[in-house]
Amino acid sequence: AQSVAQPEDQVNVAEGNPLTVKCTYSVSGNPYLFWYVQYPNRGLQFLLKYITGDNLVKGSYGFEAEFNKSQTSFHLKKPSALVSDSALYFCAVSQSNDYKLSFGAGTTVTVRA
Amino acid sequence: GAGVSQSPSNKVTEKGKDVELRCDPISGHTALYWYRQSLGQGLEFLIYFQGNSAPDKSGLPSDRFSAERTGGSVSTLTIQRTQQEDSAVYLCASTRPRAGNTIYFGEGSWLTVV
Repeated sequence: AQSVAQPEDQVNVAEGNPLTVKCTYSVSGNPYLFWYVQYPNRGLQFLLKYITGDNLVKGSYGFEAEFNKSQTSFHLKKPSALVSDSALYFCAVSQSNDYKLSFGAGTTVTVRA
Repeated sequence: GAGVSQSPSNKVTEKGKDVELRCDPISGHTALYWYRQSLGQGLEFLIYFQGNSAPDKSGLPSDRFSAERTGGSVSTLTIQRTQQEDSAVYLCASTRPRAGNTIYFGEGSWLTVV
């Protein structure tokens, strides 16, 4: 079985400050990890993924995430948040030999001007 | 097409009526998923199609839900005798079927049962 936990329902930051959205996972074997973003009334957009290789993954819109195997975490980060980053963020995991993605409950990010 | 296309984008239906939701995946993507997103909830896996293989229907919540994929491309999700708890966003996604490949989502079909 595989699962994802996003411990924070909401994250609020001021524009220009660092943004972190937390994600921990549980999976058998090697994980494939993903972050998606959903803007209001839109579908999910892919941000970045970790498959193998460097633990620090860079993605769209200046976001990055760090895979930490010992802590089973894959936190999403952005050094300087923008108001336009306000959205719902989903972390997802699949097992390396599985096609099914399991999603977290999502974290609502609000960046205030 | 350029992206995953879903229709209708919005549907309001009366309780007890049947609804059909359509998904047209990205050209060349042989794997197709349906997920459901209820208000304030995460994404719930419903069904997975890959080529001519038998679909994984393990996420369908009841026998009122069914899905088919004709010709390995367009898929239709059917909900019979809709209930108010079926109100949700139904998201379709597609990918090339290799583990770790990125899954691309459509804009969703927003279903409201009144």
